[in-house]
Amino acid sequence: AQSVTQPDIHITVSEGASLELRCNYSYGATPYLFWYVQSPGQGLQLLLKYFSGDTLVQGIKGFEAEFKRSQSSFNLRKPSVHWSDAAEYFCAVGPFSGGYNKLIFGAGTRLAVHP
Amino acid sequence: DTGVSQNPRHKITKRGQNVTFRCDPISEHNRLYWYRQTLGQGPEFLTYFQNEAQLEKSRLLSDRFSAERPKGSFSTLEIQRTEQGDSAMYLCASSFAPGDRGRSYEKLFFGSGTQLSVL
Repeated sequence: AQSVTQPDIHITVSEGASLELRCNYSYGATPYLFWYVQSPGQGLQLLLKYFSGDTLVQGIKGFEAEFKRSQSSFNLRKPSVHWSDAAEYFCAVGPFSGGYNKLIFGAGTRLAVHP
Repeated sequence: DTGVSQNPRHKITKRGQNVTFRCDPISEHNRLYWYRQTLGQGPEFLTYFQNEAQLEKSRLLSDRFSAERPKGSFSTLEIQRTEQGDSAMYLCASSFAPGDRGRSYEKLFFGSGTQLSVL
């Protein structure tokens, strides 16, 4: 069955420190992979996506993610975290056959940023 | 582009009551999705519309749930005889898909959600 695992429920980093959020997926074929961010009172916003090609993808707000097929991972990274990055981050896989956005999301990682 | 709008933002109801949520997608987006997000979990797919046609419903959508998208514009999600287990954030998203077939990607735009609390 298709699934997404985000092993870290909460992560706390200091402002200016580097960040890596982990994501592992289970999928029967080459997946489409996504990272979304959700701030309080806000809708989910797409940070970046991977479909094919270069396994290191750049996104908005200085985020990047690397697809590693051998590890079934799609970890999100940022070299220097800002206080405004505090939010919940969701990794997702899809879409499935049919060509529509029936995404499967992980449970999320809540990021706290200390000054 | 005014974004995806959902109303109400919060709904508190008593068990057994019916509730209805509304989603106004981005104008001219032909696809509309409903997801549900419970505390500590990621969003789960409920259903989606291509224009006015409801093309898939998750098994999470019991008979007490019904969604409509008349005229392919706004959508409503109704829950009848609410149960405490229905308490969740209900998210709407929309997208524009230029083709009806194929694994084409279309960017999803999410609304802020309707938080339902069933007492």
